[in-house]
Amino acid sequence: IAGITQAPTSQILAAGRRMTLRCTQDMRHNAMYWYRQDLGLGLRLIHYSNTAGTTGKGEVPDGYSVSRANTDDFPLTLASAVPSQTSVYFCASSAEGSYNSPLHFGNGTRLTVT
Amino acid sequence: AQTVTQSQPEMSVQEAETVTLSCTYDTSESDYYLFWYKQPPSRQMILVIRQEAYKQQNATENRFSVNFQKAAKSFSLKISDSQLGDAAMYFCAYRSIQRDKIIFGKGTRLHILP
Repeated sequence: IAGITQAPTSQILAAGRRMTLRCTQDMRHNAMYWYRQDLGLGLRLIHYSNTAGTTGKGEVPDGYSVSRANTDDFPLTLASAVPSQTSVYFCASSAEGSYNSPLHFGNGTRLTVT
Repeated sequence: AQTVTQSQPEMSVQEAETVTLSCTYDTSESDYYLFWYKQPPSRQMILVIRQEAYKQQNATENRFSVNFQKAAKSFSLKISDSQLGDAAMYFCAYRSIQRDKIIFGKGTRLHILP
């Protein structure tokens, strides 16, 4: 079934540790996104990529990095996790150049930083 | 920068009744797209309905319709004949044409009363 796969589903992480959240899509969408969802704050954009080889900063990029080596994969890395990064993280994709194309979401990763 | 505001953090409606969720946005652009997403307890993000700003006709999808008032920058979602399965968090989202980013409101949690 075509879609977006995120891994892990959930993770408990000690503060200061490095963590990479994985995201893979098989829809050949050019644009990919990482959002974090926090209660009362909705979804906030962390980083995005309009096409392989390019990335951009969203609304809350500090403490996070991304790479886009190919069309399908868009990993999100926390270099040194802090408790404020406890959140649910969603990866999403959409067809570039088709602006009425909605976002397709993964099922999210619940991350707890202790 | 564009912003999206959902002024109702929570709402309740009796089963089979009609409910309207409000959304306003701020933008200087004339062309853009608007979306409503539903997030049930499963955490999955589901597209409910979309609207192109250049279209005056309000979008409808079965029991879901929007009231799009471009001059007022308002994009409300009406759910008719509410069902228990409609209970979820609902997010309004704005997509710019010039920038390939989608901005979300903080969400409205909808409760359906049996």
